[in-house]
Amino acid sequence: NAGVTQTPKFQVLKTGQSMTLQCAQDMNHNSMYWYRQDPGMGLRLIYYSASEGTTDKGEVPNGYNVSRLNKREFSLRLESAAPSQTSVYFCASSDAGVYSEQFFGPGTRLTVL
Amino acid sequence: GENVEQHPSTLSVQEGDSAVIKCTYSDSASNYFPWYKQELGKRPQLIIDIRSNVGEKKDQRIAVTLNKTAKHFSLHITETQPEDSAVYFCAASRFNKFYFGSGTKLNVKP
Repeated sequence: NAGVTQTPKFQVLKTGQSMTLQCAQDMNHNSMYWYRQDPGMGLRLIYYSASEGTTDKGEVPNGYNVSRLNKREFSLRLESAAPSQTSVYFCASSDAGVYSEQFFGPGTRLTVL
Repeated sequence: GENVEQHPSTLSVQEGDSAVIKCTYSDSASNYFPWYKQELGKRPQLIIDIRSNVGEKKDQRIAVTLNKTAKHFSLHITETQPEDSAVYFCAASRFNKFYFGSGTKLNVKP
């Protein structure tokens, strides 16, 4: 099993450009998440999806959109990138149970110039 | 929403000493408290977790305690080793929605 995979690993954008970060999991998990990690600020939840067909905002959703394409895939879109969105982005998934472990992808390092 | 605070932000110990990292949370409905270790350039990985109906859990050199009344939980690492050097994150979860602390950078000096 590959676990949680993310593409791309690195990306450089210019201000105003758009892009989509892809995430897939092969563990048959119901819940999927997108986080951003900035120095000294831990992991902040951008959006999450409790199950296929549902999405909900997290702590920092402004400037982002998500799509839960199917049970395996959860994408994050930046419509008009801004320098403040420079960060490392992690996708994660977990099973439906209350005490389920989260599994993280390898991360995408995004720089917006 | 939930607010998780974590202290200290950095911690330096001698090899063999113990390390303690503390977290507080605000939402009394949070019921699951995992701890993650993140090595430089890597993804966070779960090292131990505790459920709200348990006060303490131990796994070899790592233990976690939870005080629901005070809304705080702590990570204890005994007999620290250089390979324990990493950033540690606590988290609080309610209905599978996770909120993370800001992280503690642990440096274990040989």
